Amino acid sequence: EAQVTQNPRYLITVTGKKLTVTCSQNMNHEYMSWYRQDPGLGLRQIYYSMNVEVTDKGDVPEGYKVSRKEKRNFPLILESPSPNQTSLYFCASSPGTGQPQHFGDGTRLSIL
Amino acid sequence: DQQVKQNSPSLSVQEGRISILNCDYTNSMFDYFLWYKKYPAEGPTFLISISSIKDKNEDGRFTVFLNKSAKHLSLHIVPSQPGDSAVYFCAARYGNKLVFGAGTILRVKS
Repeated sequence: EAQVTQNPRYLITVTGKKLTVTCSQNMNHEYMSWYRQDPGLGLRQIYYSMNVEVTDKGDVPEGYKVSRKEKRNFPLILESPSPNQTSLYFCASSPGTGQPQHFGDGTRLSIL
Repeated sequence: DQQVKQNSPSLSVQEGRISILNCDYTNSMFDYFLWYKKYPAEGPTFLISISSIKDKNEDGRFTVFLNKSAKHLSLHIVPSQPGDSAVYFCAARYGNKLVFGAGTILRVKS
């Protein structure tokens, strides 16, 4: 089954404690992306990757890091999380830039 | 500054009637537009798209209309069904980025 898998689905943590949200896709897609969803703001793009070792900033990259060492994986790293990063996060992938994306089921992060 | 706006936070429609969801954008560089549907506790799923060189695209009960001069996009669902109740996001592409609207909650009453 074609899917994008995110882990964990839920996480409550404290300010400053580094965390990683993993994302894996099994569709051999070139393009992967991270979004955060906040009330009234919709989905905002954090980072995207057009291929292995190629990443670029989206609209809200501050406080986040990503890496793309393998085609299937695109982890999101919060080196020093802060409460304003409390949000619902989605990973997505597509065959190419701008093509319809497959989304994971989301990760709800709460930073206390 | 939101480049893609969905000005109606929610919409309620009777089953069998038409649902019309609207989206306005400001960036004339957008060249491709998409609609996604999202159920609670799930990720968004792709619904339908349209290129900026077209003004209409149809897929079953779903039709997307694009008015480039007005920078306006709309999604028509006919007939609406209770299973269509969800959050609908419009999105627009420029370059390698995708910009989403804030979403509209559609409730279809039976």
